[in-house]
Amino acid sequence: ELKVEQNPLFLSMQEGKNYTIYCNYSTTSDRLYWYRQDPGKSLESLFVLLSNGAVKQEGRLMASLDTKARLSTLHITAAVHDLSATYFCAVSPNTGNQFYFGTGTSLTVIP
Amino acid sequence: DAGVTQSPTHLIKTRGQQVTLRCSPKSGHDTVSWYQQALGQGPQFIFQYYEEEERQRGNFPDRFSGHQYPNYSSELNVNALLLGDSALYLCASSFSAEAFFGQGTRLTVV
Repeated sequence: ELKVEQNPLFLSMQEGKNYTIYCNYSTTSDRLYWYRQDPGKSLESLFVLLSNGAVKQEGRLMASLDTKARLSTLHITAAVHDLSATYFCAVSPNTGNQFYFGTGTSLTVIP
Repeated sequence: DAGVTQSPTHLIKTRGQQVTLRCSPKSGHDTVSWYQQALGQGPQFIFQYYEEEERQRGNFPDRFSGHQYPNYSSELNVNALLLGDSALYLCASSFSAEAFFGQGTRLTVV
């Protein structure tokens, strides 16, 4: 059974600090996605990573993918309160089109 | 472009009843997937439709069924509702590698 593990599950950080969220998965895949979800809302696409070594940046967020290690990271630089949300990584295996989601990381940025 | 739209947004049903949820995909997208998200968890894949056929299915019982129409819109049907079916149901549409999610339908079973 494909497993996607995120850590930490909960993250409380001060504004201006940096931190990294990790996503490990157990299958062969070169398609990794990061989503943001605000309370009671749907999933907002942040990054689509489609090859080994892919790195994408948008504002204070940067995502990377290492398919050999089966690891993706989401790095937060100089956090601000507006980044408070739950972040999910999702893997789409090479043998299928469905997404397998991690358990999510609940991020709270404290002023 | 209206994006992925789902209806209704909220629904309350009684245990044992049946429910139908609807999804209109993003313009140009021919593949629709359904996910169940229980409170505090990540979304779980239910099934995927392409060209009006169920292409893949997750680990959900036969009480969960679906349909896709020629215009690519889709329905999710759940029979014999259980309390544990209470969740946010998300529809995702895709054309290639990227998927876009609708706002979801919050189903509460009482």
